Amino acid sequence: GENVEQHPSTLSVQEGDSAVIKCTYSDSASNYFPWYKQELGKGPQLIIDIRSNVGEKKDQRIAVTLNKTAKHFSLHITETQPEDSAVYFCAATRGSTLGRLYFGRGTQLTVWP
Amino acid sequence: GAVVSQHPSWVICKSGTSVKIECRSLDFQATTMFWYRQFPKQSLMLMATSNEGSKATYEQGVEKDKFLINHASLTLSTLTVTSAHPEDSSFYICSARDLDPHIYNEQFFGPGTRLTVL
Repeated sequence: GENVEQHPSTLSVQEGDSAVIKCTYSDSASNYFPWYKQELGKGPQLIIDIRSNVGEKKDQRIAVTLNKTAKHFSLHITETQPEDSAVYFCAATRGSTLGRLYFGRGTQLTVWP
Repeated sequence: GAVVSQHPSWVICKSGTSVKIECRSLDFQATTMFWYRQFPKQSLMLMATSNEGSKATYEQGVEKDKFLINHASLTLSTLTVTSAHPEDSSFYICSARDLDPHIYNEQFFGPGTRLTVL
């Protein structure tokens, strides 16, 4: 099955700085890559996703890049704010009828004011 | 956006009792719902995949007789933890996938249910 590796496990940045979280995947058939933000005691919230037919996608301060050849994708958060502090999970799936997501281990992002 | 609810948000029960957790898609129809378990500071662990009108598919190592899943309609799936024990204490999260082919791959997560077994 798919194996998703996520780095780093923890990330601390100063408010206003950028944060980058990287993930690699093993299954070349994976074609959908979502990113989730999870705040303490809450369920994951989809923040951005990318499909295999594009290389980059932006949504305000958040962007995701995908390199299919190298099988890695990254989350970029610019102008970080304290409310960006949370655990971020990357995931990958083939998008088949089962639609099972394979998650990375998560990154605890802390933004210091 | 798509909303998934879970009920209850937290539950405390005695060892040996059964607990039912509901997962509802509020504004869309879900062909498939997924049940996850999450331990503190860990990633989500898929327990089972539930398709409306058919039996759930359980991941390896998950006891199907202990974690009963019912997906009776396109908007409701339930997880029943039978004869709960303290080791079943965890954060249980469901997710749902829309029927709409344009957003077919997206999964929307519920807020989670914190189960504590005494």
